[in-house]
Amino acid sequence: EVVLTQSPGTLSLSPGERATLSCRASQSVNSNFLAWYQQKPGQAPRLLVSGASSRATGIPGRFSGSGSGTDFTLTISRLEPEDFAVYYCQQYGSPPYAFGQGTKLEIK
Amino acid sequence: QITLKESGPTLVKPTQTLTLTCTFSGFSLTTSGVGVGWIRQPPGKALEWLALIYWDGDKRYSPSLKSRLAIAKDTSKNQVVLTLINMDPVDTATYYCAHGDRGVAANWGQGTLVTVSS
Repeated sequence: EVVLTQSPGTLSLSPGERATLSCRASQSVNSNFLAWYQQKPGQAPRLLVSGASSRATGIPGRFSGSGSGTDFTLTISRLEPEDFAVYYCQQYGSPPYAFGQGTKLEIK
Repeated sequence: QITLKESGPTLVKPTQTLTLTCTFSGFSLTTSGVGVGWIRQPPGKALEWLALIYWDGDKRYSPSLKSRLAIAKDTSKNQVVLTLINMDPVDTATYYCAHGDRGVAANWGQGTLVTVSS
């Protein structure tokens, strides 16, 4: 069973800054089947990235995913006010398709 | 346009069985690679993956809940049903269904809050 650990737990940044979120797997993720989601209060999560680096339809170019094996990163190049939310990674390479515990991105 | 909507009871008593239905449109659960899964989120906590059923009937479950969970599909009704037996207050959560290819949750329902209380 693959366990995902996200860091940091909370990230405090200002609009315009660059955000780097980490997701580390306890074992290699098959085929780099790693996804990132954004969740705002009171809303369902939204898919941002799948396959570690492929942006989902309609996701702005400032969001980018990278990594392979056990180490993955979501980068937001220049933060917009609407980007402050909770971000989750999920591996779907081998069941169970667990999520990480989340990173809260808050306004500094 | 792909849409999913969860339905079921909002309040269940401890030891009861929870049955949730996900009704979807905009895709077919007979298309190769497609799956519909269930994810839950206790208030203020992280997402927890529960179960997934694929277009070919293959089912996957969370190991920690496998003995209590069942997932099934009715392709004629465009529905996926999740059953969770022996409900406990710790099962209080918003339950989401989601659609995607190969296990990724590309499209989500709005979620339904289920409270377990006597």
